[in-house]
Amino acid sequence: GEDVEQSLFLSVREGDSSVINCTYTDSSSTYLYWYKQEPGAGLQLLTYIFSNMDMKQDQRLTVLLNKKDKHLSLRIADTQTGDSAIYFCAESIRSSASKIIFGSGTRLSIRP
Amino acid sequence: NAGVMQNPRHLVRRRGQEARLRCSPMKGHSHVYWYRQLPEEGLKFMVYLQKENIIDESGMPKERFSAEFPKEGPSILRIQQVVRGDSAAYFCASSPGQGPNTGELFFGEGSRLTVL
Repeated sequence: GEDVEQSLFLSVREGDSSVINCTYTDSSSTYLYWYKQEPGAGLQLLTYIFSNMDMKQDQRLTVLLNKKDKHLSLRIADTQTGDSAIYFCAESIRSSASKIIFGSGTRLSIRP
Repeated sequence: NAGVMQNPRHLVRRRGQEARLRCSPMKGHSHVYWYRQLPEEGLKFMVYLQKENIIDESGMPKERFSAEFPKEGPSILRIQQVVRGDSAAYFCASSPGQGPNTGELFFGEGSRLTVL
């Protein structure tokens, strides 16, 4: 089946690290993505990881992939108020052309 | 370098009317996707189109909804006889297509449909 799950809310203190988790079901996924949606806007790709990788780091962002458990996480170091947004995990479905399946999104809020 | 353009940004319709949402993909992109985002929910895949072809419409409701991507002009998502449950944000995304790419989707800012 095609399903991507994430928790709905996360609250962190400014300056701390945020860790957003995601689980997916399709073992044939080629790419896994993290998208960011700010209020009233569309989604923007933050980062992606190819399914044969374990980790990818890009400045304050670290993506970890546990393919055995089908678990993906996004760590944001030194979280700032500008990081407040909804973060969507997504997977590409190899068996279905180029369809990309999104999770329900995790709303990240920052406490002062 | 214009991104994905959607219009209208906001649309209000009464029950039973028709809604037409338009999407112009990024320049050079031949693949278009439509997603629906219900309030406080994630994105649900609706349909994936290439020029003049529907590739995957597994997320489209069987009735009242249709999509097209003609040879010339924008992609259109059409909802006939709208009901209150159709109220949502409809996002269009485009990609360059098949080939050695990451499959990244480029999203428009969405069209927010409100059905009274």
